[in-house]
Amino acid sequence: DAGVIQSPRHEVTEMGQEVTLRCKPISGHNSLFWYRQTMMRGLELLIYFNNNVPIDDSGMPEDRFSAKMPNASFSTLKIQPSEPRDSAVYFCASSSDSIEAFFGQGTRLTVV
Amino acid sequence: AQSVTQLGSHVSVSEGALVLLRCNYSSSVPPYLFWYVQYPNQGLQLLLKYTSAATLVKGINGFEAEFKKSETSFHLTKPSAHMSDAAEYFCAVTRGTGSARQLTFGSGTQLTVLP
Repeated sequence: DAGVIQSPRHEVTEMGQEVTLRCKPISGHNSLFWYRQTMMRGLELLIYFNNNVPIDDSGMPEDRFSAKMPNASFSTLKIQPSEPRDSAVYFCASSSDSIEAFFGQGTRLTVV
Repeated sequence: AQSVTQLGSHVSVSEGALVLLRCNYSSSVPPYLFWYVQYPNQGLQLLLKYTSAATLVKGINGFEAEFKKSETSFHLTKPSAHMSDAAEYFCAVTRGTGSARQLTFGSGTQLTVLP
């Protein structure tokens, strides 16, 4: 299996632009997580899907952030409009039993 | 609420020395506990997990951890450090039940291995 696939690996954008991060979970996994990693705040859970349904989005920082999972093999995290403080590494992870999570390589987002 | 506390944001050991990374958890129910490792510019990789079976858990790369309920601890050890062990290590605990289980991570410990 190719593991969790995230794209792009790096994204540099200007403040105010829309950013879309993509994730393909491991086939057969029914849970998907989006995390954000920064030096100041460490690893934060943003949102969690189970069977394509958002279960807990309490970690989404504000309305500028939105996430979708239209099917079992694809999820997006969108930031609109982006701000410099959104600069971070965003990880997607998937799980087959909501216990052990497998992480993607991450997307390093820089907003200038 | 469940959480983990990692003691020491930076740990340095000499090559060949014992590695000990500390993690304490708080949980109102028996937890599932994990150690993940993150190499530079990489995602997180599972080292080992405790799921209420044996209290001494062996993982990859020679690491192991012992679940001690009386001390609410899940410390990570390796008898002899290698240069390749230099990375950041995260302790994590599950939060919630059933399909709502979610990982909550500690703040991480950066391990440096000195030649």
